[in-house]
Amino acid sequence: GENVEQHPSTLSVQEGDSAVIKCTYSDSASNYFPWYKQELGKGPQLIIDIRSNVGEKKDQRIAVTLNKTAKHFSLHITETQPEDSAVYFCAATPGGYQKVTFGIGTKLQVIP
Amino acid sequence: GAGVSQSPSNKVTEKGKDVELRCDPISGHTALYWYRQSLGQGLEFLIYFQGNSAPDKSGLPSDRFSAERTGGSVSTLTIQRTQQEDSAVYLCASSFSGGQSYEQYFGPGTRLTVT
Repeated sequence: GENVEQHPSTLSVQEGDSAVIKCTYSDSASNYFPWYKQELGKGPQLIIDIRSNVGEKKDQRIAVTLNKTAKHFSLHITETQPEDSAVYFCAATPGGYQKVTFGIGTKLQVIP
Repeated sequence: GAGVSQSPSNKVTEKGKDVELRCDPISGHTALYWYRQSLGQGLEFLIYFQGNSAPDKSGLPSDRFSAERTGGSVSTLTIQRTQQEDSAVYLCASSFSGGQSYEQYFGPGTRLTVT
């Protein structure tokens, strides 16, 4: 089955700096890679996703890159703000309505 | 519109008792997922439903865990003879199977504590 590894597990950055979270996956059949943000006491919420036919996708201060050959993908947050503080999860799935495998999560702290 | 709702929000039970956790998905979403999140851990897949059937039950930890979905809507996750290691937040998510988006919409979770 799929195995998703995520690092770092915790990340502290100064407000305004960039944050990068990296994930690797094992199943070459995976072709959909979402990123979720979980704030304290809430369920995760999708912030950006990427499919295997795309190498990079950007949405304002958030971008995701995918290297299918190396089986890794990354989340980049620029100009970080205190409200970006949360736990971020990467995930991988073959798509459709199949099992989604999540990484262990990265706790991001943005220091004002 | 209304999001995914889960009840109860918190449940404290004694070891050995049975518990039922409920999930109300977004109306029209045919896919429904259950996950378990232990303290400081990621999201552990338990089971998913497409309509009322469960194509993948591979994540259920033991035969003490079962889930059902009726009418293609509400789902219940039942844990029999609870153990302390069952303490966790149980998250439910739903998604729409009619388009190109695979986005899962999560509920707020049920925090289960087994004493």
